[in-house]
Amino acid sequence: QQQVKQSPQSLIVQKGGISIINCAYENTAFDYFPWYQQFPGKGPALLIAIRPDVSEKKEGRFTISFNKSAKQFSLHIMDSQPGDSATYFCAASIETSGSRLTFGEGTQLTVNP
Amino acid sequence: DAGVIQSPRHEVTEMGQEVTLRCKPISGHDYLFWYRQTMMRGLELLIYFNNNVPIDDSGMPEDRFSAKMPNASFSTLKIQPSEPRDSAVYFCASSSSTASSYNEQFFGPGTRLTVL
Repeated sequence: QQQVKQSPQSLIVQKGGISIINCAYENTAFDYFPWYQQFPGKGPALLIAIRPDVSEKKEGRFTISFNKSAKQFSLHIMDSQPGDSATYFCAASIETSGSRLTFGEGTQLTVNP
Repeated sequence: DAGVIQSPRHEVTEMGQEVTLRCKPISGHDYLFWYRQTMMRGLELLIYFNNNVPIDDSGMPEDRFSAKMPNASFSTLKIQPSEPRDSAVYFCASSSSTASSYNEQFFGPGTRLTVL
């Protein structure tokens, strides 16, 4: 029940295209859903996060869509750029239980020029 | 702030040797996390501390692994004896429960461990 399932495992898109990564969770107590971005040789870094009181959050080219009833959330990268090539992790946590995050398996995104 | 600092960045050792990984969290952060990343298993939480106290060590794979946090600015992850299957990148992360971005974890650059 603590798992977060992420798909696809890898994704290749052309420059300018839309990248979409999906995550699903089981634990309805989760109330914080961040996405982390990791470049090769670096640690993951927070990209964008959402709480379940809203269905969408947008920051620049990055958008999280959240469907509470389906227990799913997704990351959309508009106008994908080669510099977006990285591994993306979704995660979930219960804020009142501290900062512990449950991470998805990760998606390796490649944006071709 | 310099961010989360980990040392060493790379460690190559032989099976059976003791390995000690070190982490300095961001000053003022009260949570510290140790993760292991491999291609097969992804990003796994090993243990985390709150105010220097271990909260959950259920992710520690076996008794060969131990972690300590003697003070707010230093933590170690020790593997004794090391085995080839311990080869991975080990990340330390910290976060602050009082920050506006509560729950944001800041990751260090990682230690790449290779056990021969």
